[in-house]
This record gives sequence, structure tokens and C-alpha cells, in this order.
Amino acid sequence: GNSVTQMEGPVTLSEEAFLTINCTYTATGYPSLFWYVQYPGEGLQLLLKATKADDKGSNKGFEATYRKETTSFHLEKGSVQVSDSAVYFCALSGSNTGGFKTIFGAGTRLFVKA
Amino acid sequence: KAGVTQTPRYLIKTRGQQVTLSCSPISGHRSVSWYQQTPGQGLQFLFEYFSETQRNKGNFPGRFSGRQFSNSRSEMNVSTLELGDSALYLCASSLREMGYGYTFGSGTRLTVV
Repeated sequence: GNSVTQMEGPVTLSEEAFLTINCTYTATGYPSLFWYVQYPGEGLQLLLKATKADDKGSNKGFEATYRKETTSFHLEKGSVQVSDSAVYFCALSGSNTGGFKTIFGAGTRLFVKA
Repeated sequence: KAGVTQTPRYLIKTRGQQVTLSCSPISGHRSVSWYQQTPGQGLQFLFEYFSETQRNKGNFPGRFSGRQFSNSRSEMNVSTLELGDSALYLCASSLREMGYGYTFGSGTRLTVV
């Protein structure tokens, strides 16, 4: 079945450091891929998405490229800020009988120090 | 534009009781999905509704049920509550099928004592 694996956290960085959070997936067909972010006490927010191979999703300085050959969708940001501290979830949405559902990775907690 | 609204935000229930959680999706969104979030299991898919029909169901016991109304509002019900049902229950709505992404509500924090 479909699955998502992302790097374990927590990840601790200093402000202005480069961020990479790895995400790989297993899926049949051609899923859509997403990154969501969750701040304390809140629900998840869609950060970026890509719907086909080689697409690059980007938002708020974050980027991720849909790599079908390596089944990956790694999240990157060139210069993190303290306000980026949150939990990041990689997810895929694939067709299923009669509908679709989104599967989430375990989440990676990011701490950014001033 | 109003977001996804979940009520109540917090609930404390006793083992054996039942509970109903409510979700109002973004206007125009016909797909509503429910997830259970716990520190140990992460985000677990409960069910997905589209135009009042349940199209997908996760691997949860029959004590977990849901429905969707004609105005796309959704409810989920948990009967005979167990301590392990304590979790954050998240509702998410989507405009259309895969590729669009979800908008999540802030969740209902259920504590079973």
C-alpha cells in the first residue's frame, strides 16, 4: 500500500541555516505530494504541493521537487527563521477504490534557535 | 472567507460514554475527511465523505462512525469511549479530489478519563 517515510526529528538549527527534511514515498500510480506544517495548538496548514513528476512546489521560501525516479519530495529552505519552528508533515494523496485519501508521514519537529 | 470550524475545541469524557464531534467545512468544499492525531501513532485516517457518501474508511473499530449532511457539514461519533481514544481529532475539507490539498480545522482535543 501507499506509505510515506520522513526523517526523524527533532531537527535543531540556528537562525539563517539551511534546512533539508527528507521525505520518500511508496505509491502505485501517480500520487500528488504535499508538505504541511503544524504550529503548537493548531491544525495542519498546507505549505506546498506538487501534482506530477518534476514539479516544484514553493511557498514562503520553502521548496520541494517531486522526484519520481528517487520517489522523494525533500523539503528545503535556504535560511530558516525562529518563526519556522513547527512540525512538518510530508503527505501523499493517491487514488483509492471509490475515492482518495491522504497519508501522512510521522512528522519532523524543527527547532530554530536565535 | 471562513475556515474549517470544529466544535467543541475541548472535551473531557468518561470511559464508556459516547461523544459527537462536529465539523463545518469551507463553503463550497464537498469533501470532508477526519483524522486522529496522537503522539504515538501520528495522523491516522478515519474516514472521508463526499456529497454525503462515505468513500473511504481507515482501520478503526466500528465504535467510530461518521456522517455528512447535505450542506457538507460532518459529524463523527465515538461510542463506548476507551482511554486510548484520547487524541486530537482533526477535520479537513477539500474543494475537489486528489491534487488540491486539505484545509484543516484546529481540531477537537478529546480526553477520556
